[in-house]
Amino acid sequence: RKEVEQDPGPFNVPEGATVAFNCTYSNSASQSFFWYRQDCRKEPKLLMSVYSSGNEDGRFTAQLNRASQYISLLIRDSKLSDSATYLCVALTGGYQKVTFGTGTKLQVIP
Amino acid sequence: SQTIHQWPATLVQPVGSPLSLECTVEGTSNPNLYWYRQAAGRGLQLLFYSVGIGQISSEVPQNLSASRPQDRQFILSSKKLLLSDSGFYLCAWMDGNTEAFFGQGTRLTVV
Repeated sequence: RKEVEQDPGPFNVPEGATVAFNCTYSNSASQSFFWYRQDCRKEPKLLMSVYSSGNEDGRFTAQLNRASQYISLLIRDSKLSDSATYLCVALTGGYQKVTFGTGTKLQVIP
Repeated sequence: SQTIHQWPATLVQPVGSPLSLECTVEGTSNPNLYWYRQAAGRGLQLLFYSVGIGQISSEVPQNLSASRPQDRQFILSSKKLLLSDSGFYLCAWMDGNTEAFFGQGTRLTVV
């Protein structure tokens, strides 16, 4: 079983729609979590951190459920520029090991 | 400010040839360093990570090795490349638990 799992998609949504991604992690010792965004043929870049209390950054909301070992990302009012692959990330081992999910591809359609 | 350099950007190598990809970090000390591979249409696979000079953790058995001869230098190597080694290789560094920063990647094609 992979340490971090995501639905690969693709998710094809119209502009203005709300879309949610989930990610599950298997290692209960994982300590911190992030969402990264990767554009085609580019390196991943940090989108936002994920906190137990949930956090929001503009149209993006991230949540962590430690009991069920999953994290989520909600994107409201989707823009064409949101089209990308979204990767969830778990840190374990005293923040030494950084494991990425396989990514979920989002395509926002005009 | 901290920067990460990775080279070369693209590489075409014949099967059986050796490989050496280099990654260096500036503006920080004692970073955690990582090598990832992303095959076409697939996610990021953690290959190696290092928490200090000479300390290498390997995540998957493979045809590759890594070394950290200096604090801010991380090298990915192979003695004999296989076709299956083709992919997008990314170096990353992390300082604490804040954020992982990536190099721009090396696109390796083994022919």
